[in-house]
Amino acid sequence: EVQLVESGGNLVQPGGSLRLSCAGSGFVFGSHWMSWVRQAPGKGLEWVANIKHDGSEKYYVDSVRGRFIISRDNVKKSLYLQMNSLGAEDTAVYYCARRSGGNSGYFASWGQGTLVTVSS
Amino acid sequence: DIVMTQSPDSLAVSLGERATINCKSSQSVLYSSNNKNYLAWYQQKPGLPPKLLIYWASTRESGVPDRFSGSESGTDFTLTISSLQAEDVAVYYCQQYYSYPITFGQGTRLEIK
Repeated sequence: EVQLVESGGNLVQPGGSLRLSCAGSGFVFGSHWMSWVRQAPGKGLEWVANIKHDGSEKYYVDSVRGRFIISRDNVKKSLYLQMNSLGAEDTAVYYCARRSGGNSGYFASWGQGTLVTVSS
Repeated sequence: DIVMTQSPDSLAVSLGERATINCKSSQSVLYSSNNKNYLAWYQQKPGLPPKLLIYWASTRESGVPDRFSGSESGTDFTLTISSLQAEDVAVYYCQQYYSYPITFGQGTRLEIK
């Protein structure tokens, strides 16, 4: 069974930084593109970033490019999201997801999410 | 960016009746090389992550009940629940994966009438 477990969410002040982690199990982690998707409280879904299975390609939504960095460690079977210069608009539940399909991909497996709150 | 627009924003349907949710893409998400529409549907219940229902516009994910079906006509896509069950109360999202950035519809809230 595919399992994705996020951690690292917290309350952080505007302008601060946070690093999210996602541990994968039940599948060959190093063979899959991985993604972060977020959901602001009471709002819809917003894709954040994708990373290729070997880390050689990364894609970001415009609103986080230059502030967030997606990375992975296939030995540790873990996905990361380094978030810098955080603003109130980044407050959301952040989901780790395993990408499937072609092109930018759809999301067949999701973690339970970790809450990031940006507030003073 | 490809804009995904769902309709209606909310929907109330009686148990056992058909529910239809629409999604329109601002441009084609049909990949000519394989003749596939890069469109997925998700179901999200309160407090839970989204669950994949449909991909390639009409392929049902393993384990998804066959009362859920997807169809397409050009840039218009439809998710149909043939006979609404109480457990289908949720918010439904469409998503295009034809190109970056990946974009979702705004969601359709489905309730019991």
